[in-house]
Amino acid sequence: ETGVTQTPRHLVMGMTNKKSLKCEQHLGHNAMYWYKQSAKKPLELMFVYSLEERVENNSVPSRFSPECPNSSHLFLHLHTLQPEDSALYLCASSQEPGAVYEQYFGPGTRLTVT
Amino acid sequence: DAKTTQPNSMESNEEEPVHLPCNHSTISGTDYIHWYRQLPSQGPEYVIHGLTSNVNNRMASLAIAEDRKSSTLILHRATLRDAAVYYCILRDGNNDMRFGAGTRLTVKP
Repeated sequence: ETGVTQTPRHLVMGMTNKKSLKCEQHLGHNAMYWYKQSAKKPLELMFVYSLEERVENNSVPSRFSPECPNSSHLFLHLHTLQPEDSALYLCASSQEPGAVYEQYFGPGTRLTVT
Repeated sequence: DAKTTQPNSMESNEEEPVHLPCNHSTISGTDYIHWYRQLPSQGPEYVIHGLTSNVNNRMASLAIAEDRKSSTLILHRATLRDAAVYYCILRDGNNDMRFGAGTRLTVKP
């Protein structure tokens, strides 16, 4: 039981579509993260939020737009994606940002861009 | 960021202990050693972490070398549910958690 939920679990979208991924954490944490896991690459950190403020953006293309309306919810808005953006998108949370705190991951959204 | 080196794969028999090694020769004094695992079709799961001293929790033990240049994750009695990819990660004060390729553990009945 991770305490982090993600919806949808699977998504297929065309390159001209606009969609959003949703993450919710029920752990009372203050930090939330988006990761991307491609088939042949290690997990890559995309964004970090601490108390609803973005504290890190790892050179992610602007076609990915995060939103954190409160400390329990995190969204990833997608538009004009490319086929190479097909991947597993994972959300995580931790009590606070920083190395001493473990992260709890959701099950991920499997995204396919056609 | 300091890098880690892990074997690509390991095998274990069910109900036997498993020792998963990790080398991190360029570790700095403030780097925490974290271990996560990822079961098939799931997100990563936190296992354990430590800084200098050995650590135990309900899932595993973490043995850290005295010079901190290597560590070993110990599963005391492997079960079929422990089959996963195990990641050894160094984390400093930054938020970035860099995953490598990890070690794929196969548990044989």
